[in-house]
Amino acid sequence: EAGVAQSPRYKIIEKRQSVAFWCNPISGHATLYWYQQILGQGPKLLIQFQNNGVVDDSQLPKDRFSAERLKGVDSTLKIQPAKLEDSAVYLCASSLDLGGGYNEQFFGPGTRLTVL
Amino acid sequence: DQQVKQNSPSLSVQEGRISILNCDYTNSMFDYFLWYKKYPAEGPTFLISISSIKDKNEDGRFTVFLNKSAKHLSLHIVPSQPGDSAVYFCAARGSGSARQLTFGSGTQLTVLP
Repeated sequence: EAGVAQSPRYKIIEKRQSVAFWCNPISGHATLYWYQQILGQGPKLLIQFQNNGVVDDSQLPKDRFSAERLKGVDSTLKIQPAKLEDSAVYLCASSLDLGGGYNEQFFGPGTRLTVL
Repeated sequence: DQQVKQNSPSLSVQEGRISILNCDYTNSMFDYFLWYKKYPAEGPTFLISISSIKDKNEDGRFTVFLNKSAKHLSLHIVPSQPGDSAVYFCAARGSGSARQLTFGSGTQLTVLP
């Protein structure tokens, strides 16, 4: 079974530029998550999709961050314009929705963003 | 407001000995607690979980203990192996409709041969 795919793996941009990240979840996984992990911290949820609808985006800085999940499969996360404090690893994860219990989240390798 | 805290940034243990990683939380509404393991340049991978209605869950060399009255959980690895060297994240799941995970800041475990 193929895992969660993310691209690019690394990105370096200057502040005020824009950047986009792509994620392809595990086939059949209805729920997709974008996390931001700043160095020395744990992952922080930015947005959660179920199919192509947003379940939770309460921690997404909507003035500069946007995300979409067209057709309920792959997803893009965009930052425009980027700030220095956006330097982080952006992780995508996906999970099945089996109801009850804990549905394991499978993480991709992440995109390391450096904003200069 | 850190709802999930891992107060030890690093831990070193000799191979074959027990590793104990600790985690504290503040929100009594969390319904699941999890441990994830992360190697450099990879995403976190799920290791073990425990429901809030249990106090212990065991899977091979890994055991998670939950003390609800103290709002504390711990991960025991016995015996520790060099391949266990990684960053371990504690996470807790909210009981709301989104059921989002809140992660601690991680503990770097180094198992010395």
